[in-house]
Amino acid sequence: KQEVTQIPAALSVPEGENLVLNCSFTDSAIYNLQWFRQDPGKGLTSLLLIQSSQREQTSGRLNASLDKSSGRSTLYIAASQPGDSATYLCAVSSTGANSKLTFGKGITLSVRP
Amino acid sequence: NAGVMQNPRHLVRRRGQEARLRCSPMKGHSHVYWYRQLPEEGLKFMVYLQKENIIDESGMPKERFSAEFPKEGPSILRIQQVVRGDSAAYFCASSPPEGSYEQYFGPGTRLTVT
Repeated sequence: KQEVTQIPAALSVPEGENLVLNCSFTDSAIYNLQWFRQDPGKGLTSLLLIQSSQREQTSGRLNASLDKSSGRSTLYIAASQPGDSATYLCAVSSTGANSKLTFGKGITLSVRP
Repeated sequence: NAGVMQNPRHLVRRRGQEARLRCSPMKGHSHVYWYRQLPEEGLKFMVYLQKENIIDESGMPKERFSAEFPKEGPSILRIQQVVRGDSAAYFCASSPPEGSYEQYFGPGTRLTVT
């Protein structure tokens, strides 16, 4: 059974800092991995998707990496801003295309002005 | 291209009533997923549907919960005889039939059972 862990549960950093959010999963036989952002009381916004054959994906100030063999992914946020404050969720698809996502509990990020 | 639409956004039901949650996938998407987010917990998969077919319902509670995705119209998640423990945010996601299979989420329906 796939399990996804995100530690720590919360993180507070000053504006401008570069930061890394971690995600680990127990079964390395994944199809893809997605990082999402969730604002309080809102839905999920997809940030980046990494296919199992890829090592990383980049979008603007965000970079996500994937190491299947060690069961880890990281989301790197460059030059953090107060508007980045949100909960960041990692999710893996394990059993092939168009299969369910298994989510971590998320990391709540607060960027202080 | 409108995103995934869910309605209602907020739903209040008394214990014992029925709750119906609707989801319209993105245009061109034929795959729908339902997830539940309980307070202080992560999102949990409930069911995966294609048009007129349930593909994976391994996350659905055995009783009171059902889902459908008819040939025409939105997908519906139905909860019969709701209890306080059903209070949660219910999210729908859709994905295209090919390509990256990236899932796109709707804004959710927040169900409160009083």
